Order: sequence, then C-alpha cells, then structure tokens
Amino acid sequence: SYVLTQPPSVSVAPGQTARITCEGSDIGEKTVHWYQQKPGQAPVLVLYDDRDRPSGIPDRFSGSNSGNTATLTINRVEVGDGADYYCQVWDNSGDPYVFGTGTQVTV
Amino acid sequence: QVHLVESGGGVVQPGKSLRVSCAASGFSFSSFPLHWVRQAPGKGLEWVALISYNGKYEVYADSVKGRFTISRDNSKNTLFLQMNSLRPEDTAVYYCARQPSGLSHFDSWGQGTLVTVSS
Repeated sequence: SYVLTQPPSVSVAPGQTARITCEGSDIGEKTVHWYQQKPGQAPVLVLYDDRDRPSGIPDRFSGSNSGNTATLTINRVEVGDGADYYCQVWDNSGDPYVFGTGTQVTV
Repeated sequence: QVHLVESGGGVVQPGKSLRVSCAASGFSFSSFPLHWVRQAPGKGLEWVALISYNGKYEVYADSVKGRFTISRDNSKNTLFLQMNSLRPEDTAVYYCARQPSGLSHFDSWGQGTLVTVSS
C-alpha cells in the first residue's frame, strides 16, 4: 500500500513561513490534498489538487508537488494556523484513499 | 450550506455490533459519493469506506473489509456504517465526509461520533 510520510512537528514564529512536507514514491504523479485539523474539531480542506484553495481559505496557503515531495506552504503565519495538517492522495493499489502521518504546526 | 451530522456512537463490547449514521442537509445528497474516515485517540486520519452516489458501488479499507458495511438512504439523506465483530482497535472518532464527483478529495466533513470498543 502507498505510504505518505510527514514530519511529526513544525514550529514557526508568527509572521514567518511554515513549510510542511509530504513524501511519497513519485507523489508528483498524483494529486495531493491538504487538511487542517484543530484540537477537538473535524478536518477542514485547505488545498486540493496540489494547489487549489477552497472558498474561504486565505491565499497565505499554497502548495506544490514534484518528484517525491509535496509541500504545503503557509505564508505570514498567524497564531490561528496552529493545528495538525494532513496530506492525502488517491492511489490505485491497496487502500485507495491514503492520508499522511500528520504534522503538528506550533506557532 | 453543507451540513453533516453523525450519530450513534457509544461504548460497545468487543465482538459486538454498532451502527452509526450521518444525516446530511444543504446539498443534493444523491449526487455525491460519501465516505467514512476514522481517527483513533491521539492518532492520524484513516480512510474506512466509500459508497457511490447511487449506493451501487462500495469500497472498504483492508482493516475493516468483511466486518463493516457502508450504505445510504437517498430518500432520507442519510449515510450509515454498520460495524460488526468490533475490535478494540476500532475505537475512534468516525467522520462522514463528502467527495465532489470526479475528484479525489473530501470537501465537507461532519463533526464525528466516538465509538469505543471495550469490555
């Protein structure tokens, strides 16, 4: 089955840039989606199809995907961005919907 | 506004059964594939099952295949997950989630319902 690996934690100061990676074999050939989950709450979609933002998500959130690494970038980080972030892809081997291991962002 | 509300969680003994539900509103329910995704306490997200918009196609994670059944009632805008032969490792918050047709992500989630499998 396909495996997505994220760093367990990322720490960033307010106003700085946070980069969260998601590593998987040839992930650049897949479309990657990103979710934000705050404590005690359901996940919220923040990026889909590598770089598209749902309505209501600020343009401080952006994404890229190439080779074996996809990246979620949060510019001008705010205290409210502190949360767990998960990447997700669809794969045609094993379980079709795969989530990354998750990254806790501390601001 | 899309609204998904799960219910039916609780404490159940190992080997027993439980059915959780997800009531939907604010969108054309019968047009969207739906999923169950779970999260064990302190752990990450795990996809559980998918059902097609018309209920004719189902896919399951290997971890629940043969024990769980996903279904839907489009006349009542409700999604179900029947869980049999429950194990302690099935303990988790169970979320229902909507998938936009033709795409591979989850654009709306319910608030979740906690299922605890314990003797």
